[in-house]
Amino acid sequence: AQKITQTQPGMFVQEKEAVTLDCTYDTSDQSYGLFWYKQPSSGEMIFLIYQGSYDEQNATEGRYSLNFQKARKSANLVISASQLGDSAMYFCAMRALIQGAQKLVFGQGTRLTINP
Amino acid sequence: KAGVTQTPRYLIKTRGQQVTLSCSPISGHRSVSWYQQTPGQGLQFLFEYFSETQRNKGNFPGRFSGRQFSNSRSEMNVSTLELGDSALYLCASSLRLIGGAKSSEQYFGPGTRLTVT
Repeated sequence: AQKITQTQPGMFVQEKEAVTLDCTYDTSDQSYGLFWYKQPSSGEMIFLIYQGSYDEQNATEGRYSLNFQKARKSANLVISASQLGDSAMYFCAMRALIQGAQKLVFGQGTRLTINP
Repeated sequence: KAGVTQTPRYLIKTRGQQVTLSCSPISGHRSVSWYQQTPGQGLQFLFEYFSETQRNKGNFPGRFSGRQFSNSRSEMNVSTLELGDSALYLCASSLRLIGGAKSSEQYFGPGTRLTVT
């Protein structure tokens, strides 16, 4: 079954520390894409980073990097030098073919709180 | 470049009524997807429209329907509302269909929060 698992419901981190948000996925597809989104309390989903299954290098976007371990089926998000504004829900998602339809499948999310 | 806009932002309806939500994608984006977000079920895919045609569909009853216009704007309609339809409805636009390459990354609007009483 195509599934995303985020095992950390909540995380508390001190400002300026690095933080890793876990994401594991299950798919039988050879070609797939993995996304991370941030959802502040305002509700809007903000795209952070993308990793394609055939990309050999880990994706990076500013302070965000994706630690992609294909054999382990994990796609962890690393935020370096965390800031107070990073406090939000974070969702890992996978582009998947399910019952003949392409869709984004989301994990349950991790609520990240950055403490001053 | 303007982002994805959704109207209205908040809506309160009564059971049995119907509702129409609107989404305007980023200029140049031709794909519009709709999602339902609830505390219990999380984010669930409703459907995706591309060039005025529904291309992908999630597992929702026929009460949920949508359409896309020639300018890529999309509407979602829910008929015979139930209490369980209370949710945040998110619209996302992208250049290409889900299932494409990197350019299929989606950009979300602020959502419409629907409350059914």
